Amino acid sequence: DSGVTQTPKHLITATGQRVTLRCSPRSGDLSVYWYQQSLDQGLQFLIQYYNGEERAKGNILERFSAQQFPDLHSELNLSSLELGDSALYFCASSVAGGGGPSLNEQYFGPGTRLTVT
Amino acid sequence: EDQVTQSPEALRLQEGESSSLNCSYTVSGLRGLFWYRQDPGKGPEFLFTLYSAGEEKEKERLKATLTKKESFLHITAPKPEDSATYLCAAYTGRRALTFGSGTRLQVQP
Repeated sequence: DSGVTQTPKHLITATGQRVTLRCSPRSGDLSVYWYQQSLDQGLQFLIQYYNGEERAKGNILERFSAQQFPDLHSELNLSSLELGDSALYFCASSVAGGGGPSLNEQYFGPGTRLTVT
Repeated sequence: EDQVTQSPEALRLQEGESSSLNCSYTVSGLRGLFWYRQDPGKGPEFLFTLYSAGEEKEKERLKATLTKKESFLHITAPKPEDSATYLCAAYTGRRALTFGSGTRLQVQP
């Protein structure tokens, strides 16, 4: 158990809908990262937040957005869903958002499996 | 652009048959190289951080090494429970980790 929690575990929704995925980082971690992993694909970095502020952006679609709240939990919002958005979505957390490698070891949650029908 | 390439894509071993997985990286200013293990449908599990060329880390049947161009994950006398996808990722401090696409390891009894 990494200490990172994600809800829900599974989500089934229809095309065109909007969903929200939730992540709580490990105690003491200030950075949260979101990744998308499609079937048999690698991890695609979406976005990083550090202490409430956006720190880095990856291949995140305009239909997707995220935020980190004062209690450090994060939400990933996916809208106008398409079939191709079906994937595993992982959240990870680390102590810092830069600096030494040991402070940036990322610990991953169990993921949310999103199925768009 | 930072790049991390893992080989082979897939590897099938017999139980007890030792082998190595490769992670080659082209990044400017590597500050750390991470290894993860991922079981199907689960989140990656952190294994090691390597900080500089020449460093080695060990955990049970796994040993990770780092040179200036690549990292190896050596698996000694593997067991079926070592079957998983192994991911490496490069950290430069400039942005989030750059992950390789992974090596799918299958260990047959």
